[in-house]
Amino acid sequence: NAGVTQTPKFRILKIGQSMTLQCTQDMNHNYMYWYRQDPGMGLKLIYYSVGAGITDKGEVPNGYNVSRSTTEDFPLRLELAAPSQTSVYFCASSYEGITEAFFGQGTRLTVV
Amino acid sequence: GQNIDQPTEMTATEGAIVQINCTYQTSGFNGLFWYQQHAGEAPTFLSYNVLDGLEEKGRFSSFLSRSKGYSYLLLKELQMKDSASYLCAVRDRTDYKLSFGAGTTVTVRA
Repeated sequence: NAGVTQTPKFRILKIGQSMTLQCTQDMNHNYMYWYRQDPGMGLKLIYYSVGAGITDKGEVPNGYNVSRSTTEDFPLRLELAAPSQTSVYFCASSYEGITEAFFGQGTRLTVV
Repeated sequence: GQNIDQPTEMTATEGAIVQINCTYQTSGFNGLFWYQQHAGEAPTFLSYNVLDGLEEKGRFSSFLSRSKGYSYLLLKELQMKDSASYLCAVRDRTDYKLSFGAGTTVTVRA
């Protein structure tokens, strides 16, 4: 099993550009999460989804958007990138929200 | 929401035992997780507690007291490869959000 797959692994964006971070999982998990992790810090929840067609804001949603059209995919959209969005982004999934969350390998984003 | 606190750093000697404490405040508790994260890597699952008591998994054990809003992760027979960040995470009962503490960096010295 591939588990949770994130693309790209690394990206450099210029201020004001937009991009989509891709996340897909093949475990048929209905719960999916997006976190950001700044250097030396813990994980902060950006958005999460409890199933296709349903998304909710986490602690730090400003500047981001998500969609969940299928069970497998949960892309994160950055509009008008800002230096404050320089971070490592992790996508995770879990079964019914009751099992442990499995994480992708992360996307390292730098906004310059 | 949740408020999760854990120490920032801990140092221990190879072969020793280290205990990482985690306290939390939540409007609806539905489970506590411990994750290990090596530098530059993704978090990996270590243990899960939803009822009070001790869960043992080899060299790692985790304890939960729901009435005190308290958990600890015990690492025994420390090895150099245990040098990592250890993240405490709490799941909310009402919306199943999974919220993380800032993590505790453990350094194991020879």
